[in-house]
Amino acid sequence: EAGVAQSPRYKIIEKRQSVAFWCNPISGHATLYWYQQILGQGPKLLIQFQNNGVVDDSQLPKDRFSAERLKGVDSTLKIQPAKLEDSAVYLCASSSGPAQETQYFGPGTRLLVL
Amino acid sequence: AQSVAQPEDQVNVAEGNPLTVKCTYSVSGNPYLFWYVQYPNRGLQFLLKYITGDNLVKGSYGFEAEFNKSQTSFHLKKPSALVSDSALYFCAVRVMDTGRRALTFGSGTRLQVQP
Repeated sequence: EAGVAQSPRYKIIEKRQSVAFWCNPISGHATLYWYQQILGQGPKLLIQFQNNGVVDDSQLPKDRFSAERLKGVDSTLKIQPAKLEDSAVYLCASSSGPAQETQYFGPGTRLLVL
Repeated sequence: AQSVAQPEDQVNVAEGNPLTVKCTYSVSGNPYLFWYVQYPNRGLQFLLKYITGDNLVKGSYGFEAEFNKSQTSFHLKKPSALVSDSALYFCAVRVMDTGRRALTFGSGTRLQVQP
């Protein structure tokens, strides 16, 4: 079974530029998550999708971050404009749906904002 | 609100010795508890989870964890450490019976196994 795919793996941009990340979850997984992992910290949720609907985006900085999951499969996360403090690893995870199910993580996208 | 504490930034252990990585949690309600491991430049890999039932949970690569409700702890253990176990370990929690399924993670513990 293929795992969670993410691209790009690395991205370097200057502040105030925009950037987009892509995630393809495990086939059949209804729930998709985006986490932000700042160096030296544990991952923190940005947004949770159930199929193509948003379940929780309470910690998403909506003035600059946006995410979508069209057709309930792939998802994109966008930052516009980027700030220095957005430098982090952006992790995508998916789960099959039931509350106790394990979340499986992709390799992440490492973003450096200069 | 829910939270996880991993009191040790780093744990050092000699190869072949037992290891323990500590985790305590705070939730309103019954918890689901998870351990993940992260190797350099890779995502988080699932090790094990506690949902309900037996307090001792066995997982991948010989790891196990014991759920202690009275002490609100979920410490990760392995009887005999390997050099290849050296990595960053994260404990995570979420509360049962809520639609919000996102995990709350601790800050991580770096395990260094010396040959």
